[in-house]
Amino acid sequence: GAVVSQHPSRVICKSGTSVKIECRSLDFQATTMFWYRQFPKKSLMLMATSNEGSKATYEQGVEKDKFLINHASLTLSTLTVTSAHPEDSSFYICSAWTGVYGYTFGSGTRLTVV
Amino acid sequence: DAKTTQPNSMESNEEEPVHLPCNHSTISGTDYIHWYRQLPSQGPEYVIHGLTSNVNNRMASLAIAEDRKSSTLILHRATLRDAAVYYCILHDAGGTSYGKLTFGQGTILTVHP
Repeated sequence: GAVVSQHPSRVICKSGTSVKIECRSLDFQATTMFWYRQFPKKSLMLMATSNEGSKATYEQGVEKDKFLINHASLTLSTLTVTSAHPEDSSFYICSAWTGVYGYTFGSGTRLTVV
Repeated sequence: DAKTTQPNSMESNEEEPVHLPCNHSTISGTDYIHWYRQLPSQGPEYVIHGLTSNVNNRMASLAIAEDRKSSTLILHRATLRDAAVYYCILHDAGGTSYGKLTFGQGTILTVHP
């Protein structure tokens, strides 16, 4: 089946620094990728839709200047959390539509800001 | 995307069938019914999806009511590895929100040995 590889799986960073999370589609091309955030014991919340070669579409309430999304190729989308603060600590997950296999999700990135 | 209603939690014994219900009374004609599951500290995993007819795959079966206002995910023989949060999601492939999956709270499935 179609696989999305997400790295890193976990990262700890200092408050005020930036962190980049990568999401790669390994055996298919993903024109569109999706970024979710999940807090403990909560459901996934869509943050933004990443479109190859164009600007991302952000959900209401998500700061586009804080969560920078780049989708420069059909197999790679990145999410950069800029000037991270402890409240940005969360589980970040990317996803892409594969067709036959529905949506496939990355394994997630556990971000801890100290 | 239209809203779905699922029980907060369900329990099952290992090697027994599990029927996970989902109500979606406001489903539209172009809404597909998707099921995903999420194990702790992992991204969601695709289980199955369908439009009108019942669907089967190696993981599960999806039974869709004739009026499409409800559906049931069937795990034929639960294993301990099936313990997860199961999400029932409606996705309008023909709508302007193409691509967006809106997750509800899901059903926490506990499987007892």
